[in-house]
Amino acid sequence: NAGVTQTPKFQVLKTGQSMTLQCAQDMNHEYMSWYRQDPGMGLRLIHYSVGAGITDQGEVPNGYNVSRSTTEDFPLRLLSAAPSQTSVYFCASKGPPGYTFGSGTRLTVV
Amino acid sequence: RKEVEQDPGPFNVPEGATVAFNCTYSNSASQSFFWYRQDCRKEPKLLMSVYSSGNEDGRFTAQLNRASQYISLLIRDSKLSDSATYLCVASGAGKSTFGDGTTLTVKP
Repeated sequence: NAGVTQTPKFQVLKTGQSMTLQCAQDMNHEYMSWYRQDPGMGLRLIHYSVGAGITDQGEVPNGYNVSRSTTEDFPLRLLSAAPSQTSVYFCASKGPPGYTFGSGTRLTVV
Repeated sequence: RKEVEQDPGPFNVPEGATVAFNCTYSNSASQSFFWYRQDCRKEPKLLMSVYSSGNEDGRFTAQLNRASQYISLLIRDSKLSDSATYLCVASGAGKSTFGDGTTLTVKP
């Protein structure tokens, strides 16, 4: 049982490039979400999904898109990377008793 | 004002000490509460849920005070391995809000 799998673990992008962070869970959880965590800061919600075909914005959605075509997968797309998007990104799914997080993607935008 | 507030610390305590963290939440619609532990450069992991009657898991005790809108985490007999950042979470109406975390360092 892998839980939540995120890829890649590390990524360096140039300003203006686009990319997709992958997230997959095998726990059949309906709720999935993306967070970013800046150094010394808490988790900020980017986007979330309550089920396949349904997504909504969180606290800091600008510059990011998501889709949820299956229960298992919830990719996060950076449309045009900016240095302000340098952060650690965590994907999470929620089921009893709480959230299960992926191991994170460390993204640097130069 | 943040929806969930925690004292960032750091809390530096010797091994064997008892330490307590508090967390306040502002959304009165919050229904469920959790404590997560996050090690440096790792993902948060669920430590324990917080129940209205209070609950205990080994050396850890969590309590909820709905009237004052705060939750607490008590760690007894601190171990070196307890060094981490502790995040509180308030959930309700399909939304969860994480605090910024309290950092604990347990020293020999």
